[in-house]
Parts: sequence; C-alpha cells; structure tokens
Amino acid sequence: SAVISQKPSRDICQRGTSLTIQCQVDSQVTMMFWYRQQPGQSLTLIATANQGSEATYESGFVIDKFPISRPNLTFSTLTVSNMSPEDSSIYLCSARAGPYEQYFGPGTRLTVT
Amino acid sequence: DQQVKQNSPSLSVQEGRISILNCDYTNSMFDYFLWYKKYPAEGPTFLISISSIKDKNEDGRFTVFLNKSAKHLSLHIVPSQPGDSAVYFCAPSQRRFGAGTRLTVKP
Repeated sequence: SAVISQKPSRDICQRGTSLTIQCQVDSQVTMMFWYRQQPGQSLTLIATANQGSEATYESGFVIDKFPISRPNLTFSTLTVSNMSPEDSSIYLCSARAGPYEQYFGPGTRLTVT
Repeated sequence: DQQVKQNSPSLSVQEGRISILNCDYTNSMFDYFLWYKKYPAEGPTFLISISSIKDKNEDGRFTVFLNKSAKHLSLHIVPSQPGDSAVYFCAPSQRRFGAGTRLTVKP
C-alpha cells in the first residue's frame, strides 16, 4: 500500500490566479495520477505523471492549464492556472502501488471566486 | 463517456442485511475491475478487485461477482455495518470511474 498526503487541503482563490497542489507519497511509485471530482460527479482523470517524462493528459485537459511536475518517485505537483469558477472542484492525487489498485490522497478542495 | 454505469445513485439497507451494489460496463476489453469506497472529505480507498478471467472474488464481508456475458458486476457486503456507509465507485481502469452509489446502513 501507499500513504499519500496533499497540500493544501483546501483553498479559496481569486479568478485569474494559479494554485499549485503538492502530493507526497511515502514510498517510491512509478505511476502517479491527478484527478478532478466536481460537485456531484465522479472522478475524472486529468493526467498521468511518470517520473522522468512529460505527463500524459486526457482528452479535454491541456498542459498550459494544468502543468504537472514529477521530479522524483515520491512527489508530484499539479498547478491549476488562470483559474475560473468552473475550476472549483476537489483535486485528488493518486499512485499505483500494486498490480492494479490505486491509493489516493485526501484531496484538495478548491473554490474559485 | 458512459463506459461505466452505476445506475443506483443511492442505496439504504438495515444493519446486518446484505448490500448489493451494481455496475454495468460496455467495453469488453477491460481486464480487471476495482471497487473503491469513499468517505466524505477523504480520498477513495481501494476495497476489492476482480480479474476478468474470474467470476468471483471474496475478501471477508466483501464479495465481487463478474458476469462477463452481461457486462455486469456487483459488490456484495454481508453483513452490512453502519461503518460501511460511504460512496462506492466501480472502476475498470484508472481512466474510468462509475458515478458512484451512496450506501447508507441504518443501525
């Protein structure tokens, strides 16, 4: 298994600003993922972040809006850029620590005003 | 994208009884299926998985059944406990999560 922490746990941000979310895993993992969960909806994968290579983004998500860093096997960041109220959501970091199962951080609740 | 469907947004059962959560999928290429449980203000927690080559996997009170011909899987919780009250997600891959079913177990 893996224990994942995220910072900040929540934030309220002004429109047009950017927020960087940090994700720390207590063990080395190959694959890390970033998700968004909008109110009342399921989890949507934003991108897969592998160490040593650029993140792979899902359809509808672009690097300019959601730049991701993965400097080592235990850490990743997601930046939500030029925020608008539509970006208000819970952002979740995840890591794969077994053949299939993923472990999730507690999430970052973002409100954009 | 409707590759994974959990058609029941909520389910309420009495403590001690069986809870059955359902999930339907359309892509027969999925080779494994996972269930996650999520409490409010927490991230999802991995619960149980099943490979597409099996039709049943059991772990304590939790059993997942897979019917490949019907493209249907179900999670059974027996006996249900109040601490099982949470949202349950079916996920055949990291890209596909169902909408979730909110289970409430009443004491």
